[in-house]
Amino acid sequence: GEEVAQTPKHLVRGEGQKAKLYCAPIKGHSYVFWYQQVLKNEFKFLISFQNENVFDETGMPKERFSAKCLPNSPCSLEIQATKLEDSAVYFCASSQDRGLLGGYTFGSGTRLTVV
Amino acid sequence: AQSVTQLDSQVPVFEEAPVELRCNYSSSVSVYLFWYVQYPNQGLQLLLKYLSGSTLVKGINGFEAEFNKSQTSFHLRKPSVHISDTAEYFCAVALRNAGKSTFGDGTTLTVKP
Repeated sequence: GEEVAQTPKHLVRGEGQKAKLYCAPIKGHSYVFWYQQVLKNEFKFLISFQNENVFDETGMPKERFSAKCLPNSPCSLEIQATKLEDSAVYFCASSQDRGLLGGYTFGSGTRLTVV
Repeated sequence: AQSVTQLDSQVPVFEEAPVELRCNYSSSVSVYLFWYVQYPNQGLQLLLKYLSGSTLVKGINGFEAEFNKSQTSFHLRKPSVHISDTAEYFCAVALRNAGKSTFGDGTTLTVKP
């Protein structure tokens, strides 16, 4: 498709529960990126994929966060044992190339609220 | 490491007035530069990008930006704004071939009638 589809739009979890977010990139885009937007404006890079391979995971809090992009499935971002500080909007973006010559195409985000 | 500073957190302006949103960046290597717009409850939408070549780049919705290497700036401009331009604007830099971007903290543009 021509849009990056993120589901669900909203997710509420109790502290300690698991949260799983999904992202279907634009068809033909080889790169997928996850960003966390905490508060209103601060964007934090989490992880990127080239097809199903992790390309850069320097932003991932590895003890509780994991992500996958498997063939013929939406990409996923999973948070085990959520904490209050994980409350944020999680954006997925895709691009045709690693160099971002075309920029990102962003999904509309998943708002995670941890209570 | 790269960093991006958006010099104004909020810019109020009247409809049909010109506007400039300022962005400075820091990087020891060449980068690509981007401006994105975020409307409420939506993801970011690419406005324009600078990859190389002409330092004046034109984007969607009548926006343009000028890359200034000596001042490490990439300011966004529009000669006449509309109410519908009210949104959050983000400047971003990306290392060539590195994929991930570093974003500024955003500028809230509010266009008043």
